[in-house]
Amino acid sequence: EVQLVESGGGLVQPGGSLRLSCAASGFTFNIYSMNWVRQAPGKGLEWVSYISTSSSSIYYADSVKGRFTISRDNAKNSLYLQMNSLRDEDAAVYYCARGSNGGSGWPWFDPWGQGTLVTVSS
Amino acid sequence: EIVLTQSPATLSLSPGERATLSCRASQSITTYLAWYQQKPGQAPRLLIYDASNRATGIPARFSGSGSGTDFTLTISSLEPEDFAVYYCQQRNNRPFTFGGGTKVEIK
Repeated sequence: EVQLVESGGGLVQPGGSLRLSCAASGFTFNIYSMNWVRQAPGKGLEWVSYISTSSSSIYYADSVKGRFTISRDNAKNSLYLQMNSLRDEDAAVYYCARGSNGGSGWPWFDPWGQGTLVTVSS
Repeated sequence: EIVLTQSPATLSLSPGERATLSCRASQSITTYLAWYQQKPGQAPRLLIYDASNRATGIPARFSGSGSGTDFTLTISSLEPEDFAVYYCQQRNNRPFTFGGGTKVEIK
């Protein structure tokens, strides 16, 4: 069974840091791009970051560029998101999502993990 | 950035009725559009990719159509488990963007 399990969420003060992890299982991790997508409470979905199979291509939403760093460890079947200088508006459920593209172009997201909640508050 | 506008925001229907959800892109995205379903407290689930292709395990009552800037998700006959929020997502350009969602609620 394909599974993605996020961890590392919690309560952090504005300006603080947090590192999210996503453990993948049930598929060949190193042949898929991976993504982080977030959802603020009661709001819609926002793509956060993309990383290619070999980490050679990395992209961020403008809202997190310069503050967040995505990485992966293919030997450990794991995806990470280092979040620094956190702001109130970064509070959300963070989902990791596998990318698929049918052999062409950018990804759609399938499947998604269950999410991990990040709360930013003093 | 490509903006996706979903309509209506809320759709009130009864089980067995047909649901028609719209997603409009601010510029052409060819057929690079996906649809997701999200139930309360759950992660989104892929329903449709590239405008009209059902994902693995998705029932045939879900269908997608469209190209360019106008797309439609149709649920031919609503089952009780279909009442949820639906999002569209484009993969034509970065940043990958989502529509604001359509909530399908029980009338």
